[in-house]
Amino acid sequence: EDQVTQSPEALRLQEGESSSLNCSYTVSGLRGLFWYRQDPGKGPEFLFTLYSAGEEKEKERLKATLTKKESFLHITAPKPEDSATYLCAHGVMNSGGYQKVTFGTGTKLQVIP
Amino acid sequence: EAGVTQFPSHSVIEKGQTVTLRCDPISGHDNLYWYRRVMGKEIKFLLHFVKESKQDESGMPNNRFLAERTGGTYSTLKVQPAELEDSGVYFCASSDRGLFRANVLTFGAGSRLTVL
Repeated sequence: EDQVTQSPEALRLQEGESSSLNCSYTVSGLRGLFWYRQDPGKGPEFLFTLYSAGEEKEKERLKATLTKKESFLHITAPKPEDSATYLCAHGVMNSGGYQKVTFGTGTKLQVIP
Repeated sequence: EAGVTQFPSHSVIEKGQTVTLRCDPISGHDNLYWYRRVMGKEIKFLLHFVKESKQDESGMPNNRFLAERTGGTYSTLKVQPAELEDSGVYFCASSDRGLFRANVLTFGAGSRLTVL
């Protein structure tokens, strides 16, 4: 079965303390690696899509990178408003030609002022 | 643009009762998905509609769950009869991507179901 594993489960950082979140996946035929952010009481909010190894995307203090088996979400000089659960997901085409998206359990990030 | 709307936001029912969750996707989005997050677990796929047709229902846990999408617009997910293990947050998502396209999902805020 396709799997997405995220680590760590929880991460506590001081404001300004950079770090990285890890996402590893076991699937062949990857058609997109996604990062979402989820705030309490809300649905996941799309951040990035990565398609091929070596690809990088950035948005403010966040940068996502992709290798053949892993993706990293780098957070540079985080602020308290970056506190959220970050979800990794992969997309694989099903037999009908539509993409099925499978999520990991997420990393809960807390940034302390 | 209005987002994905789900209701109720929270439902508390007794074991054996019936609950119906509703999702209104973004207007024009042919793809509608239901996902569920049980406490401490990952968000799991339940099923996928393309317009009014079920394209993939491989994640539906059992026949107590019935999903419909009337006229390719809003969708309902009925649980009948509800069991304790059905408790969790049910998310709906929609997308406008078609065949062989990467699928960025727009999620609703979720419907929290508590079965006592």
